[in-house]
Amino acid sequence: EAGVTQFPSHSVIEKGQTVTLRCDPISGHDNLYWYRRVMGKEIKFLLHFVKESKQDESGMPNNRFLAERTGGTYSTLKVQPAELEDSGVYFCASSQGDSAYEQYFGPGTRLTVT
Amino acid sequence: GQNIDQPTEMTATEGAIVQINCTYQTSGFNGLFWYQQHAGEAPTFLSYNVLDGLEEKGRFSSFLSRSKGYSYLLLKELQMKDSASYLCAVRDQYGGSQGNLIFGKGTKLSVKP
Repeated sequence: EAGVTQFPSHSVIEKGQTVTLRCDPISGHDNLYWYRRVMGKEIKFLLHFVKESKQDESGMPNNRFLAERTGGTYSTLKVQPAELEDSGVYFCASSQGDSAYEQYFGPGTRLTVT
Repeated sequence: GQNIDQPTEMTATEGAIVQINCTYQTSGFNGLFWYQQHAGEAPTFLSYNVLDGLEEKGRFSSFLSRSKGYSYLLLKELQMKDSASYLCAVRDQYGGSQGNLIFGKGTKLSVKP
């Protein structure tokens, strides 16, 4: 069974540009989470989808970040326009429905804004 | 506020036992998780505690005391491949499996020959 995959693995963009990160969760997992780790800090929650609906987006830093999960399958996280402080590693995780607790993480996308 | 503390770095010898501590203060509690993360890779699930006591899984064990806001991860018979970062995380929200995780900064463990 394939794990959580993320694309791209690395992205280097200039301040003011737009970047879109993609996450493909494990097939059949209704829950999809985005997290971010800024250098030197802990991994922090951004938002949570249940199928195609946003369950909790309390961790989204500001309106430059837009997450979607069309059809309840893969998800995208767009940063527009990117700022220097957006640099970090963006992780995606997924989990099954009601009875599951384990979140399976993807390898992350390392975003560098210059 | 939400706060999870764990040591930044630890060093241990191959074949030995090491205990990584984690203390937490969160507005709610619905389970504590330990993840292992090798550099450049995805965090991988190690253990889950929601009730007080010890959970054992092979060479790894995890302990929880909810009244003290304290957990530890115990690694026995250390191997070189155990060199990694160990992340302590608390699920804060209620509602079954759907709560997001609050992470500590991680403990970087180096296993020496």
